Amino acid sequence: DGGITQSPKYLFRKEGQNVTLSCEQNLNHDAMYWYRQDPGQGLRLIYYSQIVNDFQKGDIAEGYSVSREKKESFPLTVTSAQKNPTAFYLCASSILAGGSYEQYFGPGTRLTVT
Amino acid sequence: AQSVTQLGSHVSVSEGALVLLRCNYSSSVPPYLFWYVQYPNQGLQLLLKYTSAATLVKGINGFEAEFKKSETSFHLTKPSAHMRDAAEYFCAVSQTGANNLFFGTGTRLTVIP
Repeated sequence: DGGITQSPKYLFRKEGQNVTLSCEQNLNHDAMYWYRQDPGQGLRLIYYSQIVNDFQKGDIAEGYSVSREKKESFPLTVTSAQKNPTAFYLCASSILAGGSYEQYFGPGTRLTVT
Repeated sequence: AQSVTQLGSHVSVSEGALVLLRCNYSSSVPPYLFWYVQYPNQGLQLLLKYTSAATLVKGINGFEAEFKKSETSFHLTKPSAHMRDAAEYFCAVSQTGANNLFFGTGTRLTVIP
């Protein structure tokens, strides 16, 4: 089955520690995205990558970093510089279909930092 | 600049009643519009999308949406709500040739038995 995998589903960390969230896709999509979701705020774009070895900052990139060494993988690191890291993180990939890009989402990782 | 506004963060309907979730967009160019559904602790699933081919768009699970340029709206409807429709719904907009989506803040739908 093709899809997007995010692991783990739940992640707990102590304040001051960096943590890396995994995102893998086997859909052969070129573009991948990371969003942060907080209650009542919808989805906010953290980073996106349109091709391997290239990525751009989204609206809330401060305190986060990414890499795109392989087409299938787009890991997100939440650094200790992120002031409020507790949130639900969603990874997506996209394909051009019917003239528009459709984004497909993974199941998400809920990160809790205490 | 593009944006979407979803009126009503919470909507409650009785089972079997009409579902109407509102979305208004702002875009300087003809937009592409999307509705996504999110069940608790899950990712988003595409319900339907508007790409200028037809103003009335039919999606999965019996949902449909109508693009009204004069009202800059793309409201989501379903004639008869089912318990399984209880979820959060997001409207999103993008531009021609762009692969970034701009999401609304979401509407949580509750279905009352």
